[in-house]
Amino acid sequence: QSALTQPPSASGSPGQSVTISCTGISSDHNYVSWYQQLPDKAPKLMIFGVNKRPSGVPDRFSGSKSGNTASLTVSGLQAEDEADYYCSSYAGSNIVVFGGGTKLTVL
Amino acid sequence: QLQLRESGPGLVKPSETLSLTCSVSGDSFSSRNVYWGWIRQSPGKGLEWIGSMYYTGGTYYTPSLKSRVVISADTSKNQFSLELSSVTAADTAVYYCARYHYYFDYWGRGALVTVSS
Repeated sequence: QSALTQPPSASGSPGQSVTISCTGISSDHNYVSWYQQLPDKAPKLMIFGVNKRPSGVPDRFSGSKSGNTASLTVSGLQAEDEADYYCSSYAGSNIVVFGGGTKLTVL
Repeated sequence: QLQLRESGPGLVKPSETLSLTCSVSGDSFSSRNVYWGWIRQSPGKGLEWIGSMYYTGGTYYTPSLKSRVVISADTSKNQFSLELSSVTAADTAVYYCARYHYYFDYWGRGALVTVSS
């Protein structure tokens, strides 16, 4: 199973919106999740089931999916959103795959 | 509140076996419809799923590591373990344990394992 494909970097100014894509997702299900990783910290679940937010995650974070591509949108960018973001999906046969990660820079 | 904590040697010699244990508190390892998994992150690199164990005991591994990996559980201690054999420098990474049910919602802090003689 190949890793999912993400752009290596993304950026935006405070208050702007940024969208990070993740291609290679199966179109058969909605088992897509997104994780935020701050430097030297464990990843944190931000989005699951394509577009669901765990309790405590700001509604500035949203997810979507179209065909084989999932997307994470961060609206109203804040300095604290600067981090690495990873997508993940179920690849069938009890296999899980991650994307290569996107470094989000707040300008 | 569910907590996971990885433990094990921080230094392993090449060709030997890496062994880590994940201690689960705040939930039963035998909770229904839940998997328990291992993920690693090499220095400066992205996340790599290693494998998962279902609450019934079934195990599933990433194809690239399948020949070297074993995930097992000790339900009496609410722990599950990772063994990775014949390690090389390429296995140097931070190893995370996490709970999974089609998304990883709880993660341990991670354990750095360095492979070096």
